[in-house]
Amino acid sequence: AQSVTQLDSQVPVFEEAPVELRCNYSSSVSVYLFWYVQYPNQGLQLLLKYLSGSTLVKGINGFEAEFNKSQTSFHLRKPSVHISDTAEYFCAVSDKNFNKFYFGSGTKLNVKP
Amino acid sequence: NAGVTQTPKFQVLKTGQSMTLQCAQDMNHEYMSWYRQDPGMGLRLIHYSVGAGITDQGEVPNGYNVSRSTTEDFPLRLLSAAPSQTSVYFCASSYAQRQPQHFGDGTRLSIL
Repeated sequence: AQSVTQLDSQVPVFEEAPVELRCNYSSSVSVYLFWYVQYPNQGLQLLLKYLSGSTLVKGINGFEAEFNKSQTSFHLRKPSVHISDTAEYFCAVSDKNFNKFYFGSGTKLNVKP
Repeated sequence: NAGVTQTPKFQVLKTGQSMTLQCAQDMNHEYMSWYRQDPGMGLRLIHYSVGAGITDQGEVPNGYNVSRSTTEDFPLRLLSAAPSQTSVYFCASSYAQRQPQHFGDGTRLSIL
């Protein structure tokens, strides 16, 4: 079975500061990893994904994530956040067939001026 | 291009009532899925479909039925609503494996 843990339910940060949102997964097999963002009253949008290759993945809006197999982590980072980055962020893992996706409980990023 | 359209956006039901949540996509996507989102629990997969006529259970399928008679539509049925099914429901679709999922804006369902 696969599971995703997002330890931080809320992360407050000041505008232009760097941020890291943590994600750890558990799986006995190879997985594919994703980060999604959800703005209020909207569905989820894909930020980035790791399928294979380089462990550093760059996504939209200046976000990037690093896949660390030994630590089973896929942390999301941004060097300088903006007010508009305030949203909830979800880490997800899929099975090898991309049929079943498992989501973490989400991290609410609150960017303060 | 409307993307993934969910209807209704809001609904209040009484315990025991039945209801169908509609999901339609106009992108000719083969893969479609339904999730429920509850506070502090993220999204949990209810059912998914890899093409017309093919459906399978996800993580939390009990109390829900689905069918996929066309590529475009993937309705979710609650046969006898229970308060535990109060949630926000999201439909998603993707073109194929390894492609990102496109999400609808959700249906907020309250069961009294």
